[in-house]
Amino acid sequence: AQSVSQHNHHVILSEAASLELGCNYSYGGTVNLFWYVQYPGQHLQLLLKYFSGDPLVKGIKGFEAEFIKSKFSFNLRKPSVQWSDTAEYFCAVNAQAGYSTLTFGKGTMLLVSP
Amino acid sequence: DVKVTQSSRYLVKRTGEKVFLECVQDMDHENMFWYRQDPGLGLRLIYFSYDVKMKEKGDIPEGYSVSREKKERFSLILESASTNQTSMYLCASSLVTYAEAFFGQGTRLTVV
Repeated sequence: AQSVSQHNHHVILSEAASLELGCNYSYGGTVNLFWYVQYPGQHLQLLLKYFSGDPLVKGIKGFEAEFIKSKFSFNLRKPSVQWSDTAEYFCAVNAQAGYSTLTFGKGTMLLVSP
Repeated sequence: DVKVTQSSRYLVKRTGEKVFLECVQDMDHENMFWYRQDPGLGLRLIYFSYDVKMKEKGDIPEGYSVSREKKERFSLILESASTNQTSMYLCASSLVTYAEAFFGQGTRLTVV
């Protein structure tokens, strides 16, 4: 079974600071990787995904993530955060096999102060 | 755009009541899911379905059941609601199980 670990439960940054949220997964086979975001009062939405190919993937709103297979990591980055990035961020993994389902990390709450 | 619609945003039920949470998706997706979201615990899978009338247990199925009579609709049933089932419930759908899932707005259930 797969599992996901997010390094930080709460992160507080000032506007224009750089962001990196850590995510590690455990699974022995091939995986698909996702970052989801949940803005206050809104539904969970996809930020970016990795299935195969270039390990550096770009998502919406200037976010990117890098898949490092040797480290089982898929860290989320943004060079300069904005107040509107305040949200909860979830890393998720899905094995590329059969009826595998998404397994989520516990989430990181990001607060960006203006 | 995929739309996943949950019938209620907020529900308050009494302990012991039978509770139905309804979810409808409009993109002809094969797979549907029910998750529970609790602070500090992330999302945990309750049940999923990969076809009509098919269901599979997730990580925390105890106290819940599901029904999928039509492809577009997936219902979560709390047979006898308890206070520890107070939570945010999220429905999702996906074209295939290993693809990204699309989520509804969530139903915040309070059991008193």
